[in-house]
Amino acid sequence: DVKVTQSSRYLVKRTGEKVFLECVQDMDHENMFWYRQDPGLGLRLIYFSYDVKMKEKGDIPEGYSVSREKKERFSLILESASTNQTSMYLCASRLSTGAANNKEQFFGPGTRLTVL
Amino acid sequence: GQNIDQPTEMTATEGAIVQINCTYQTSGFNGLFWYQQHAGEAPTFLSYNVLDGLEEKGRFSSFLSRSKGYSYLLLKELQMKDSASYLCAVRAGGSYIPTFGRGTSLIVHP
Repeated sequence: DVKVTQSSRYLVKRTGEKVFLECVQDMDHENMFWYRQDPGLGLRLIYFSYDVKMKEKGDIPEGYSVSREKKERFSLILESASTNQTSMYLCASRLSTGAANNKEQFFGPGTRLTVL
Repeated sequence: GQNIDQPTEMTATEGAIVQINCTYQTSGFNGLFWYQQHAGEAPTFLSYNVLDGLEEKGRFSSFLSRSKGYSYLLLKELQMKDSASYLCAVRAGGSYIPTFGRGTSLIVHP
């Protein structure tokens, strides 16, 4: 079974702090994703990575950056946390990308971040 | 961009059948996913449709009509544990990244 783990289930930070959210997958997946999930808005893509050291902006990248130095690990960074970044953050991984690829995404349990 | 619509909330009775609809407006459609997400948990994959028709998997079935921009998830013999959010996600426009709808919260009552 694919396992996607996230470093924390709950996190409380103060405005202006630098925040690191870590995600690790154990199935040698090429693709990794960061989403945030808010009531009434659904899952929104922040950043994704096709492979090591590659990254692409999603729909809402402002205020975030990412790092993928190793294949199994994808980090989301909030350079200066703000209250509007209070949310549930979900990491996902997927085997690979391809025209005929129907591979589903595997999600981690989520990190509920509160910025005070 | 893509426009994906799902009902916000549905309720149903244990043992019944429920149909959760998803409509989308997009160009270059290349697949639709359904995920289940229990409260406080990660979404888990249920189904994938790329061709028209019905895909059956146990108590759950998913239908797609590409010409109508329409899909539904059919849940039979509902159980209390089926209370969850159901997320529709569409892949289109040459992107291999699916876009998620806002999800449908299903409440199953005795």
